[in-house]
Amino acid sequence: KQEVTQIPAALSVPEGENLVLNCSFTDSAIYNLQWFRQDPGKGLTSLLLIQSSQREQTSGRLNASLDKSSGRSTLYIAASQPGDSATYLCAVRTQGGSEKLVFGKGTKLTVNP
Amino acid sequence: NAGVMQNPRHLVRRRGQEARLRCSPMKGHSHVYWYRQLPEEGLKFMVYLQKENIIDESGMPKERFSAEFPKEGPSILRIQQVVRGDSAAYFCASSPGQGGGNTIYFGEGSWLTVV
Repeated sequence: KQEVTQIPAALSVPEGENLVLNCSFTDSAIYNLQWFRQDPGKGLTSLLLIQSSQREQTSGRLNASLDKSSGRSTLYIAASQPGDSATYLCAVRTQGGSEKLVFGKGTKLTVNP
Repeated sequence: NAGVMQNPRHLVRRRGQEARLRCSPMKGHSHVYWYRQLPEEGLKFMVYLQKENIIDESGMPKERFSAEFPKEGPSILRIQQVVRGDSAAYFCASSPGQGGGNTIYFGEGSWLTVV
């Protein structure tokens, strides 16, 4: 059974700091890994999707890496801003069966001005 | 192309009433997933449906919950005799098919409050 863990559960940083969010998963049989952002009371915004054959993806100040063999991914946010404050969710798409997305519990990020 | 549409966005029900949540997948998508997000939790898989078939309901509570995806019309998640613990955000997602090349797209969610 696939399990996804995100560390830390919460993170508070001053504006301008670079930061790393961590995600680990137990079963390497995945199609892809996706990072989402969720604001309070809102839906999911897809940030980056990394296919299992890829090592990283970049979008603006965001960079996500994937090491499938070790079951790890990181989301790097450069020069953080107060507007980055949100919960960040990591999800892996499992191979076989229903091929559903399995989510971690998220990291709640607060960027202080 | 409209995204995944969920309604209602917010629903309040008294204990013991029924809640019906609707999801219209993206055009051309025949695969639907339902997820539940309890307060301060990540999203938990509930059920995966294709047109007229339940493929995987391993995450669905055994009682009071049911889901359907008819040949015509939206997918429906039905919760009978709601209790306070059912208060959560319910997200629907759709995909055109299986395989890693088919991205899963999420709706904006339906927030159920049981009073």
